[in-house]
Amino acid sequence: DQQVKQNSPSLSVQEGRISILNCDYTNSMFDYFLWYKKYPAEGPTFLISISSIKDKNEDGRFTVFLNKSAKHLSLHIVPSQPGDSAVYFCAASASRSGGSNYKLTFGKGTLLTVNP
Amino acid sequence: DGGITQSPKYLFRKEGQNVTLSCEQNLNHDAMYWYRQDPGQGLRLIYYSQIVNDFQKGDIAEGYSVSREKKESFPLTVTSAQKNPTAFYLCASRTGGPNYGYTFGSGTRLTVV
Repeated sequence: DQQVKQNSPSLSVQEGRISILNCDYTNSMFDYFLWYKKYPAEGPTFLISISSIKDKNEDGRFTVFLNKSAKHLSLHIVPSQPGDSAVYFCAASASRSGGSNYKLTFGKGTLLTVNP
Repeated sequence: DGGITQSPKYLFRKEGQNVTLSCEQNLNHDAMYWYRQDPGQGLRLIYYSQIVNDFQKGDIAEGYSVSREKKESFPLTVTSAQKNPTAFYLCASRTGGPNYGYTFGSGTRLTVV
């Protein structure tokens, strides 16, 4: 059962335009969400996060939106740059799970290609 | 600089042999994790450890073993019982409360021939 879903395996946008990456989750216990960026043969690097008490978090060109009622979050990149081309993973954790392990559950990732 | 070191970057082994992947961190993080990445599968949790001398199975622990004798080290052994060991393996660590993400190593590409 996939608790974090990224339904678009790939996305292609033109340089300078907006990139929107989507993520859906099914576990109501998730209350913290993160986006990671990954280049081939490298480890993922943290990009941006959002707590469930917020509906928006912004960091430079990156903004994450959270819609709790729809169990949906999205990452907006504006403007998109060729260096943004990478796989983007959505991840979620449940701080109130009681296990105190704060495991991250990852989606399958979306390959973003930004064309010059 | 603090970080997580995975070694080696590339590893080749013959089928039926056990192999151990190294993961060392100098971030003073309490928790450490092993993930496996396969094409189209995302990141799947193999094992994790919250403190020294303690670890728990993740979602795909069969055919793997770990140890956590030191806070800094969390080696992963891929045994001959793992049916499809060829993959990209990622180690991660974290600290603090629930609202902290992982710091990842650069990964080890294991190829079994």
